[in-house]
Amino acid sequence: NAGVTQTPKFQVLKTGQSMTLQCAQDMNHEYMSWYRQDPGMGLRLIHYSVGAGITDQGEVPNGYNVSRSTTEDFPLRLLSAAPSQTSVYFCASSSDRSNQPQHFGDGTRLSIL
Amino acid sequence: AQKVTQAQTEISVVEKEDVTLDCVYETRDTTYYLFWYKQPPSGELVFLIRRNSFDEQNEISGRYSWNFQKSTSSFNFTITASQVVDSAVYFCALSEAGTDKLIFGTGTRLQVFP
Repeated sequence: NAGVTQTPKFQVLKTGQSMTLQCAQDMNHEYMSWYRQDPGMGLRLIHYSVGAGITDQGEVPNGYNVSRSTTEDFPLRLLSAAPSQTSVYFCASSSDRSNQPQHFGDGTRLSIL
Repeated sequence: AQKVTQAQTEISVVEKEDVTLDCVYETRDTTYYLFWYKQPPSGELVFLIRRNSFDEQNEISGRYSWNFQKSTSSFNFTITASQVVDSAVYFCALSEAGTDKLIFGTGTRLQVFP
């Protein structure tokens, strides 16, 4: 099994550009989420989804959009990139809302110039 | 509000030393879950342990052990006889029952020197 797959692994953008970070899981997990990791701040929840068609905001949602059209995929969109969005982004999934351990992707390192 | 505090930013030890990583949490819920994750230099996040609030029994897995004390809201992690491969950033995290949203601490960077 591939688990949670994130693409791309690295990306450099210019301020104002848009892009989509891809996340796919092959474990038929209902719950998926996006976190960002910044130095000295741990990981913070951006958006999450409890199933196809259902999304909600986390702690730091501003500047990001998500959608969940299938169980497998949960893309994260930056509409107009800003330097403050320079970070490492992690996608995670888990089987349901019974607080099972989340499986994380390998991360996407994003730099906004 | 939920909060996880890992006061130790960085710890350095010499191989074979024992080391304890501290984690203190805050939550109003009576049912919650605590986790530890390891992030090695390669960057991925590796799940280590999950513990629910009703299970205060300490757990040991090889050189790793965890001490959960509700009275002090702490969930500390001890590595016995540390090895260079233990060098990583370790995160403690909290989630309330019924939601998989994780609240992470800021992490503790452990460096084990040969």
